[in-house]
Amino acid sequence: KNQVEQSPQSLIILEGKNCTLQCNYTVSPFSNLRWYKQDTGRGPVSLTIMTFSENTKSNGRYTATLDADTKQSSLHITASQLSDSASYICVVSASGTYKYIFGTGTRLKVLA
Amino acid sequence: DGGITQSPKYLFRKEGQNVTLSCEQNLNHDAMYWYRQDPGQGLRLIYYSQIVNDFQKGDIAEGYSVSREKKESFPLTVTSAQKNPTAFYLCASSPSGQSSLGANYEQYFGPGTRLTVT
Repeated sequence: KNQVEQSPQSLIILEGKNCTLQCNYTVSPFSNLRWYKQDTGRGPVSLTIMTFSENTKSNGRYTATLDADTKQSSLHITASQLSDSASYICVVSASGTYKYIFGTGTRLKVLA
Repeated sequence: DGGITQSPKYLFRKEGQNVTLSCEQNLNHDAMYWYRQDPGQGLRLIYYSQIVNDFQKGDIAEGYSVSREKKESFPLTVTSAQKNPTAFYLCASSPSGQSSLGANYEQYFGPGTRLTVT
């Protein structure tokens, strides 16, 4: 069964600190993996997208890694800001399908 | 100003009434999607359309209906048959519906419509 699991479910950190969010998937055959940021009551916004051949991709203070062998991805946030408070969603798509499999997200709270 | 618009942002309906949620995009994307988001759950696919005049059921299509008469528009009707319609509804689009190896088709999401049925 195609599944995407994220951890932790929620996280609280102090402004300026770094954090890492995890994503494990069982989607096969793998096509690509995305990380989205979703502010409360808003639609998700793409942060990064990676295919199986990419190990790391950065977008400003956000760095995503992908290990296609172990089917794991992580999203590292550097020097967190209050505006980073949001849900972060991992999404995996399988080759030959029209579907995207969504994780349940990690809710991040950055405190001043 | 390119993007996806959904209206209204908040919608209230009485139980037993049908309601239609609007989704419009000016990105010239072929594929459009409707998702439902509930607390503690990942987005679940309701319907998707790869091309005009064609659409497919997603994982939770019961109680919903859609149409795709124009490339830019993909309205979702929540019917009275939907048992738990209160949720946050998200519309998305992508250049193509086909996810193939090496392809990086981005999904762009609208701002969402929060539907409350009492």
